[in-house]
Amino acid sequence: QKEVEQNSGPLSVPEGAIASLNCTYSDRGSQSFFWYRQYSGKSPELIMSIYSNGDKEDGRFTAQLNKASQYVSLLIRDSQPSDSATYLCAVHSGGGADGLTFGKGTHLIIQP
Amino acid sequence: DTAVSQTPKYLVTQMGNDKSIKCEQNLGHDTMYWYKQDSKKFLKIMFSYNNKELIINETVPNRFSPKSPDKAHLNLHINSLELGDSAVYFCASTTPGHEQFFGPGTRLTVL
Repeated sequence: QKEVEQNSGPLSVPEGAIASLNCTYSDRGSQSFFWYRQYSGKSPELIMSIYSNGDKEDGRFTAQLNKASQYVSLLIRDSQPSDSATYLCAVHSGGGADGLTFGKGTHLIIQP
Repeated sequence: DTAVSQTPKYLVTQMGNDKSIKCEQNLGHDTMYWYKQDSKKFLKIMFSYNNKELIINETVPNRFSPKSPDKAHLNLHINSLELGDSAVYFCASTTPGHEQFFGPGTRLTVL
């Protein structure tokens, strides 16, 4: 069974600091990895995708992938109160039309 | 210009009723999905449709039936609603790189 594990939190980070979110996955054949942000009462919003080992940066966000360790992380630099949300790690493995397997999410709180 | 839209946003109904949720995407994607997010916020896939063909069905009760009149639409019909069906249902469509874009969700409450 494909599993994606995240620490549910809450993870509390002071404003302006770096928030670090982590995720592990069970299916070694997984090829595509995603981070979604979900505000309360809203739908998941894609913020990062990563497909190969290493780092990928987009603005204040950096995704890191280590397939050997089956580990994905998301760094948020210069954290803002508006970054407070639940962050969902998602993994795609298997056939092309298969859906994503989501973790249960990490609740991030940025303290002003 | 909404990319993935769903109606209705809220749905309150009695046990045993039949209801439908509609989804439309204007992104030109070939594959669409239905996800269920339960009260603990766990998001789990229910169905996917690729070019009007059901690809996967993740052990969802057969009271749930997806219907796709064309590749831009994927509707969800639910028969004989039960209390445990109360959840938020999200429609999504995907790029070839598996990046999925979600609709705003339909909050279903079964009384």
